Amino acid sequence: KAGVTQTPRYLIKTRGQQVTLSCSPISGHRSVSWYQQTPGQGLQFLFEYFSETQRNKGNFPGRFSGRQFSNSRSEMNVSTLELGDSALYLCASSLVTPNTGELFFGEGSRLTVL
Amino acid sequence: KQEVTQIPAALSVPEGENLVLNCSFTDSAIYNLQWFRQDPGKGLTSLLLIQSSQREQTSGRLNASLDKSSGRSTLYIAASQPGDSATYLCAVIPLYNQGGKLIFGQGTELSVKP
Repeated sequence: KAGVTQTPRYLIKTRGQQVTLSCSPISGHRSVSWYQQTPGQGLQFLFEYFSETQRNKGNFPGRFSGRQFSNSRSEMNVSTLELGDSALYLCASSLVTPNTGELFFGEGSRLTVL
Repeated sequence: KQEVTQIPAALSVPEGENLVLNCSFTDSAIYNLQWFRQDPGKGLTSLLLIQSSQREQTSGRLNASLDKSSGRSTLYIAASQPGDSATYLCAVIPLYNQGGKLIFGQGTELSVKP
């Protein structure tokens, strides 16, 4: 059974550009969550999607957005990139609801903003 | 506001030693607590999930306990091996949370010396 797949694994962008990251959850999982990990702030919640609906959102500016497709695959987008957006972006999937179920994480997408 | 603290931030032990990692949280109203492992530059690997109604979970050489009333969890690693070297993170999902927002600790970086 394939795990959570994130693409691309590494990418380099310059300030002002935008980026789209993709996450394919474990087959059958309907919930997808996104997290940002930086050395200073640790792991911070971005948003969670379930059945194509955003159910929860963290304290990030509107430049950070996401969506989920009917096959549960999810994308997140960051517009007008800033140096501080450099981070490891992690996606997690859960069978039904992450409130009671186990979360499984992907390997992450390492974004560097120059 | 839920806060999660992990002490110590770093730990170095000789191979074969039994060790305990600590996690504390400020609000006992949680759905569950999950322990993860993260290798450098990698994603998170789920180790153990403890539901709020449970007191402990075991998997191989790992045992995690949960005391909601005191806001504490411990991860016990028996007979440590160099391959156990990684950062260990604990995370809780608050009871009032809608949509799987994990609150993470800052992690304990474990080094097991041969």
